[in-house]
Amino acid sequence: DTAVSQTPKYLVTQMGNDKSIKCEQNLGHDTMYWYKQDSKKFLKIMFSYNNKELIINETVPNRFSPKSPDKAHLNLHINSLELGDSAVYFCASNYGGGAGRYNEQFFGPGTRLTVL
Amino acid sequence: AQTVTQSQPEMSVQEAETVTLSCTYDTSESDYYLFWYKQPPSRQMILVIRQEAYKQQNATENRFSVNFQKAAKSFSLKISDSQLGDAAMYFCAYRSALGDMRFGAGTRLTVKP
Repeated sequence: DTAVSQTPKYLVTQMGNDKSIKCEQNLGHDTMYWYKQDSKKFLKIMFSYNNKELIINETVPNRFSPKSPDKAHLNLHINSLELGDSAVYFCASNYGGGAGRYNEQFFGPGTRLTVL
Repeated sequence: AQTVTQSQPEMSVQEAETVTLSCTYDTSESDYYLFWYKQPPSRQMILVIRQEAYKQQNATENRFSVNFQKAAKSFSLKISDSQLGDAAMYFCAYRSALGDMRFGAGTRLTVKP
């Protein structure tokens, strides 16, 4: 069974379009994240949701809007796509608190977004 | 905010040899967790090893071990008996007890046959 899944895995689109990436986790975690990995492989956190509530909102253009319908899902919608949005986007999840093994963050397979 | 520094953008090792990847971090907290993740060309992020800051004993997982120096805020990863499948990007990460994860810039490891 896939722990953290993302769809689609690849997304190619034109500048100006609106697109969404979906994420689901079946681990019972209460916290989910979106990361952006640029061409230099740097991983930058974008958003964090705990029990459907936004916890972290880093300096991200407001064209990016996360939506969490329930604690197992965190989707990312991007409006008016720009060339600089091309990157790999990772969804991740973990338990918001606790110790030891419960702090491990599980990642989805990533979505490679290419904006032409 | 906590920062994580990986000072080696690239490292290479001969198959069967040992290599150490460096990581330092900056924090004022006493309770936190440290991780090493591996990202092979498949781009999947895979947990390699974790360390709780309150534990003095260094974590080990088969061929992977860490050298955790809390006072120096250092958390290096040692890979013994390197295998071709170890070739990947390696990310050091810091997480406070109730906070988010912060990643270093990564080290690209090449394994030479």
